[in-house]
Amino acid sequence: DAGVTQSPTHLIKTRGQQVTLRCSPKSGHDTVSWYQQALGQGPQFIFQYYEEEERQRGNFPDRFSGHQFPNYSSELNVNALLLGDSALYLCASSNPGRQTGELFFGEGSRLTVL
Amino acid sequence: AQKVTQAQTEISVVEKEDVTLDCVYETRDTTYYLFWYKQPPSGELVFLIRRNSFDEQNEISGRYSWNFQKSTSSFNFTITASQVVDSAVYFCALSEARGSTLGRLYFGRGTQLTVWP
Repeated sequence: DAGVTQSPTHLIKTRGQQVTLRCSPKSGHDTVSWYQQALGQGPQFIFQYYEEEERQRGNFPDRFSGHQFPNYSSELNVNALLLGDSALYLCASSNPGRQTGELFFGEGSRLTVL
Repeated sequence: AQKVTQAQTEISVVEKEDVTLDCVYETRDTTYYLFWYKQPPSGELVFLIRRNSFDEQNEISGRYSWNFQKSTSSFNFTITASQVVDSAVYFCALSEARGSTLGRLYFGRGTQLTVWP
């Protein structure tokens, strides 16, 4: 049973560029959340997708956008990259219908902005 | 507003010592969930436990135990007889509860635990 998978694992971009990160949820999960984890900090909630719609959003600017596909996979897009966007981006999946409360995380995509 | 505080930034112990990681939270919600996650160097957050706000029973799982005290808004985590493999960053987190939907998680800044052989 594959867990949450994310790609790419590492990437380097320059300021002003755009990036797309991808996430496949754990089998049977229909909800995907994205978190940003800066070095030495706890993860910060970006947004959550369910039924292809953004359901909740954290305190992130509109440069951060996302999408969920019919197969529940998701993308995180960041436009006009800033140095401060350098972080580990974590994807998490869950299944509200099971009400287990567990949130399964992938290993993340480490983004470096130069 | 939701907030989680992990006052201990780093803890070092020698193998076989017991260690307690502290977590204090703030919320106005009457129903919420509390979590502990382990983050090894690989980066993946590994789920350890979830506790409902209305269940104050302490829990033990092998060498791990958790003490939830609503009166002091604390949810502390104890590792008994620590091992080198326990070395990782540990995060405490709080989640809103919205019916059957798991809300966003609010994480503390984490505690880096190092267990020396």
